[in-house]
Amino acid sequence: SAVISQKPSRDICQRGTSLTIQCQVDSQVTMMFWYRQQPGQSLTLIATANQGSEATYESGFVIDKFPISRPNLTFSTLTVSNMSPEDSSIYLCSVEVWVPTSGRATDEQFFGPGTRLTVL
Amino acid sequence: RKEVEQDPGPFNVPEGATVAFNCTYSNSASQSFFWYRQDCRKEPKLLMSVYSSGNEDGRFTAQLNRASQYISLLIRDSKLSDSATYLCAVPGGGADGLTFGKGTHLIIQP
Repeated sequence: SAVISQKPSRDICQRGTSLTIQCQVDSQVTMMFWYRQQPGQSLTLIATANQGSEATYESGFVIDKFPISRPNLTFSTLTVSNMSPEDSSIYLCSVEVWVPTSGRATDEQFFGPGTRLTVL
Repeated sequence: RKEVEQDPGPFNVPEGATVAFNCTYSNSASQSFFWYRQDCRKEPKLLMSVYSSGNEDGRFTAQLNRASQYISLLIRDSKLSDSATYLCAVPGGGADGLTFGKGTHLIIQP
């Protein structure tokens, strides 16, 4: 697996402001992902953070609202812009790790501890 | 049909019993499947990966039924510490980002 940290762990923000969440991994990984988990819901993929190129966003998520940076293979940021109370959620980053399993290499995703965001 | 579906439960099971729950998926081309465990206010933790017919790890067994497009998770000799939400996930997003089910809530009772 990989050791993943996120900052901040939680924050309370005013509507209209922006928050940047950082995700740091202890080893170089190719793929990093950002997810959102709204209260009482499951995880929803926001985007894939690609090193050296623009992030790939899922339907319903746009770069203007959720700009992502991926400056190197161990770090990524997600910004939640112009926040509203509907953005209150847990934001999680994950990394894909290439691991050998029973004679074949496989991709498994491991998650950071999450950032709990409350927008007032 | 939703991409990944799970019975939300809750499943209330006495300690020591065997419990199983299913996850159905819509993409017949899916090659890999994952079960995650999520405790309250924690991140999901990878429990098992399934790539062929199934996988077994101690008290936990995952089975894949491609014909009916579902995977199951079986927990034997359940323990109080198994109480959690179990999330099923299938690659389906950009560059194999995961699509998650809503999770099945399991409560093991003493």
